[in-house]
Amino acid sequence: RKEVEQDPGPFNVPEGATVAFNCTYSNSASQSFFWYRQDCRKEPKLLMSVYSSGNEDGRFTAQLNRASQYISLLIRDSKLSDSATYLCVVAPNTGNQFYFGTGTSLTVIP
Amino acid sequence: DVKVTQSSRYLVKRTGEKVFLECVQDMDHENMFWYRQDPGLGLRLIYFSYDVKMKEKGDIPEGYSVSREKKERFSLILESASTNQTSMYLCASTLGGNYQPQHFGDGTRLSIL
Repeated sequence: RKEVEQDPGPFNVPEGATVAFNCTYSNSASQSFFWYRQDCRKEPKLLMSVYSSGNEDGRFTAQLNRASQYISLLIRDSKLSDSATYLCVVAPNTGNQFYFGTGTSLTVIP
Repeated sequence: DVKVTQSSRYLVKRTGEKVFLECVQDMDHENMFWYRQDPGLGLRLIYFSYDVKMKEKGDIPEGYSVSREKKERFSLILESASTNQTSMYLCASTLGGNYQPQHFGDGTRLSIL
């Protein structure tokens, strides 16, 4: 079983829509969670860390559900510039490794 | 802001050549990582280093080696390049442990002919 799994999509949504992605992880001892954004042929860039209490940054909200072992990313009022691949990243409570999902592709349509 | 710099954005080499990819970070980060990214496979860890001269194999170390002689620099070496090593290579660093996010370089798109 993979450490981290994401629905690859693609998600095609109109401008202004709300879209949500989920990411499941297999190691219940995981302690750190992140969402990255990756544009085509570019490097991943940190979008936000995910905290146990959930966190919000403008139009973006991240949630952690430890009982069901998933994290989510909600994007409200989608913009054309939100079109990208979104990667979830999970790290266990020991060691130095990070585990990446394969990414979810989002296209926001005018 | 953390700056992670990879030596080349695009590189074309021939089969059998020895290839060096360099990565430098400017934030005194303890941990550095090399990944490759291929369509449908996501990021796969090749090697990481948690201190100078220390290294750990990742998931796909075969055909690669690394060097970390100074804290700020982490080099990836393809001992004898092969066509199946054509990929996007990404370097990342983090302060220490895995509770801090990774910061990535721009990536090197390597083609082996």
